[in-house]
Amino acid sequence: QQQVKQSPQSLIVQKGGISIINCAYENTAFDYFPWYQQFPGKGPALLIAIRPDVSEKKEGRFTISFNKSAKQFSLHIMDSQPGDSATYFCAASAAYNNNDMRFGAGTRLTVKP
Amino acid sequence: DVKVTQSSRYLVKRTGEKVFLECVQDMDHENMFWYRQDPGLGLRLIYFSYDVKMKEKGDIPEGYSVSREKKERFSLILESASTNQTSMYLCASRRDRVTDTQYFGPGTRLTVL
Repeated sequence: QQQVKQSPQSLIVQKGGISIINCAYENTAFDYFPWYQQFPGKGPALLIAIRPDVSEKKEGRFTISFNKSAKQFSLHIMDSQPGDSATYFCAASAAYNNNDMRFGAGTRLTVKP
Repeated sequence: DVKVTQSSRYLVKRTGEKVFLECVQDMDHENMFWYRQDPGLGLRLIYFSYDVKMKEKGDIPEGYSVSREKKERFSLILESASTNQTSMYLCASRRDRVTDTQYFGPGTRLTVL
C-alpha cells in the first residue's frame, strides 16, 4: 500500500528556477519526514529532514514545507542547478516503528542549463 | 563518513539459481536493511536486522532470506531466483533504533533471465 504519495513523477526546470516536489501521507503517527537524493549509479543519500513540530526547515537552497493538518510536505529547491538533476524520494516514519520507513515513488528532476 | 558497500554493482543470474547479495558497513552500526527499488514503487523494505543474528520481515520478504553473522555484514539470499526478482537492491545501515538517518550503499542491479 502506498502510504506516501509523491508527485510529480518527473520534473523539468530551467537553471535558476524553483523545483517543487510534493508528498502526501496517510498515517498520522508519522513524525519524521526525510528527503533523499539519488544520483544515477548511486544509492539514496539524506538531503534534508523535518519533524512535525516545525512548519518549515531550510538548508541552503533546499527547503521542506510541512502542513500537518493537510498531511502534506514538499521540497523546494531554489535557484535550481544542473547538478541538482537526480531522483528525489520523500519518506516518512513513526517513532513507534522507525524500522518501517515508507518511501514515495520518486521524482526524476532534470535541470536544463 | 559512513561507508556502505555492496559486493556487486551488476549481477545476471538464471531462473532457479541461488543468489547471494552481500552488504558491508564500516561504522559499527547496529541496524541494517535490505530494500528493493522498482520504478514507480519507490523503495520497499525486504528485511531488517537490528543486531547480529536478529532479523525482522519487511513488506516483501517472500522469496528472500537474510543472514547476519557479523555486525558489519548483512546478506540477502534469493533461494531460487525468479524473473520477478529482477530489480535494484539497496542495502542501508543505521546507527541504532533511536536514530533515524539511514545510509545507503550504491545498489546491486540484479537481472534474472
